[in-house]
Amino acid sequence: DIQLTQSPSTLSASVGDRVTITCRAHLSIPNWLAWYQQKPGKAPRLLIYGASTLESGVPSRFSGSGSGREFTLTINSLQPDDFATYYCQEYFTYSNSFGQGTKLEIK
Amino acid sequence: QVQLVQSGAEVKKPGSSLQVSCKASGGTFSSSVISWVRRAPGQRFEWMGGIIPMHGTVNYAQNLRDRVTITTDESTGTAYMELNNLTSEDTAVYYCARGGRTTLTQTAFDVWGQGTLVSVSS
Repeated sequence: DIQLTQSPSTLSASVGDRVTITCRAHLSIPNWLAWYQQKPGKAPRLLIYGASTLESGVPSRFSGSGSGREFTLTINSLQPDDFATYYCQEYFTYSNSFGQGTKLEIK
Repeated sequence: QVQLVQSGAEVKKPGSSLQVSCKASGGTFSSSVISWVRRAPGQRFEWMGGIIPMHGTVNYAQNLRDRVTITTDESTGTAYMELNNLTSEDTAVYYCARGGRTTLTQTAFDVWGQGTLVSVSS
């Protein structure tokens, strides 16, 4: 299995801030990485796939970068709707492993 | 746009079996891969397996292959996940989702069902 480690586990920020979440894989996964947003009681929502491609309908303040073993999700100019939990996920291996999640809280 | 609608919450006894359904509407079903992903309390999301209805190809997670069966009914556009010999560790929210890495596909999970809460307790 690919192990994905996200940092930080919790992030406190204010509306208008720029935040970055990191996802590290213990083995290279080229660019087969996705980012999801999840709100309580809801299913995850795909934000980014292929490490950096924005899913249709996702606001452009979300961006992804990285390749190999280290990836980042950046949210520019945080909006109230962005406070949620974010997950990275690899689809390079048959495990389809997920990171443990990063909870983005209002400061 | 495809939507996935799952069956309702379940309460099960240890040792029993579970079946959750996932009905697709509004788009192509047969050529897509439909995966099952679960999230137990305090645990990470776990991919359970995926099926491509058109090909009948199914891939299962190594640790669940002895207990899980994924099938589809193309006539109704519905996928099913059956899990046998339940224990308390199977208590989780179960999701169906379009996508995943299988022998024939390599895509992110772009459409999700709403989730089905399953509780296993004596």
